[in-house]
Amino acid sequence: DADVTQTPRNRITKTGKRIMLECSQTKGHDRMYWYRQDPGLGLRLIYYSFDVKDINKGEISDGYSVSRQAQAKFSLSLESAIPNQTALYFCATSDPPAQYFGPGTRLTVL
Amino acid sequence: RKEVEQDPGPFNVPEGATVAFNCTYSNSASQSFFWYRQDCRKEPKLLMSVYSSGNEDGRFTAQLNRASQYISLLIRDSKLSDSATYLCVAQTGANNLFFGTGTRLTVIP
Repeated sequence: DADVTQTPRNRITKTGKRIMLECSQTKGHDRMYWYRQDPGLGLRLIYYSFDVKDINKGEISDGYSVSRQAQAKFSLSLESAIPNQTALYFCATSDPPAQYFGPGTRLTVL
Repeated sequence: RKEVEQDPGPFNVPEGATVAFNCTYSNSASQSFFWYRQDCRKEPKLLMSVYSSGNEDGRFTAQLNRASQYISLLIRDSKLSDSATYLCVAQTGANNLFFGTGTRLTVIP
């Protein structure tokens, strides 16, 4: 079984809809991250969390929110999706310095 | 200016060839450096850390040049399975990881 899982793996939605992407890990790591990847822009950090009570904004947090429900779970929400949020989203955990990525969620906003 | 810059390629090399990628970083305070490998439509996976003295892992050698602010990855005796995108990463502070956009390698039979 994968150590870092993401659901859904693919999602197509419409502008203005609320979307939640879920991430779970069995690695026992405290640190969790959400990134998006766009062609030509590389991976960019959206939010990160060092433990259940800790939430921090990354480079591109506008339009996103997160919830760290437990050590093993970190969810990303788009309150009102817009087309430029179409991207590949990765969750990651960290046992510093290495990061371990989930399989990604491909999100399309029409 | 981007924090980390890489030549996107593609690099097309025959099996058995040696290929090298360079990556430059803009923040002189960057402390740690890594190479990740990403296969098409898959997640990035850590290939190796890059140490100041240079380090080797089998056919892969990583080098760091702090004076010129670049890191390199050398792959010897390329295999078909080495075909992937290679991401350069620079870390500044406790949690600021900056990823390059990746260099695409295709190894040709």
